[in-house]
Amino acid sequence: KQEVTQIPAALSVPEGENLVLNCSFTDSAIYNLQWFRQDPGKGLTSLLLIQSSQREQTSGRLNASLDKSSGRSTLYIAASQPGDSATYLCAVRISSGSARQLTFGSGTQLTVLP
Amino acid sequence: DVKVTQSSRYLVKRTGEKVFLECVQDMDHENMFWYRQDPGLGLRLIYFSYDVKMKEKGDIPEGYSVSREKKERFSLILESASTNQTSMYLCASSPGGQPGNEQYFGPGTRLTVT
Repeated sequence: KQEVTQIPAALSVPEGENLVLNCSFTDSAIYNLQWFRQDPGKGLTSLLLIQSSQREQTSGRLNASLDKSSGRSTLYIAASQPGDSATYLCAVRISSGSARQLTFGSGTQLTVLP
Repeated sequence: DVKVTQSSRYLVKRTGEKVFLECVQDMDHENMFWYRQDPGLGLRLIYFSYDVKMKEKGDIPEGYSVSREKKERFSLILESASTNQTSMYLCASSPGGQPGNEQYFGPGTRLTVT
């Protein structure tokens, strides 16, 4: 059974720092991996989707990398801002072909201090 | 932009009541999902539907049922609400076809059962 782990569970950094959030998964036979952002009491907003054949995806100050063989993904946030404060979730989809197979990590709660 | 809406942001119900949570998407997506999110447990899939009148159980279907009479609407039903169903409920949708298509989430319904 696929398990997804995100470490650390919480992270606090001063504004302007570059930071890396980690996601690891136990089964490397994934179809893709998706990073989400969740603000308190709100739903999830998709940030980046990396297909299994890709190594990274970029959107603005965000860069997500994928290393399938080692079961790891990182989300790099450049020049962090207080508005980046949120919980970041990663989720992997296995290669079964079924729409249901999306497994989530528990998230990293990021606080960017002004 | 894809829009997924949920009927209520906050809901308080009594034990034993029948509860309906409604989700509507406006992008003609084939797939729709219901998750619950609990601290320390992350998001867990309750049910999903890949077409009108079609449904499949997720990882934690006990105590829940679903209905999909129209493509745009997916309802989650708690036949007899219990306190352990107090949670944040999130609805999502995704296009059909490729199993790895990106999921889009609604804002969530925070349900409290007293």
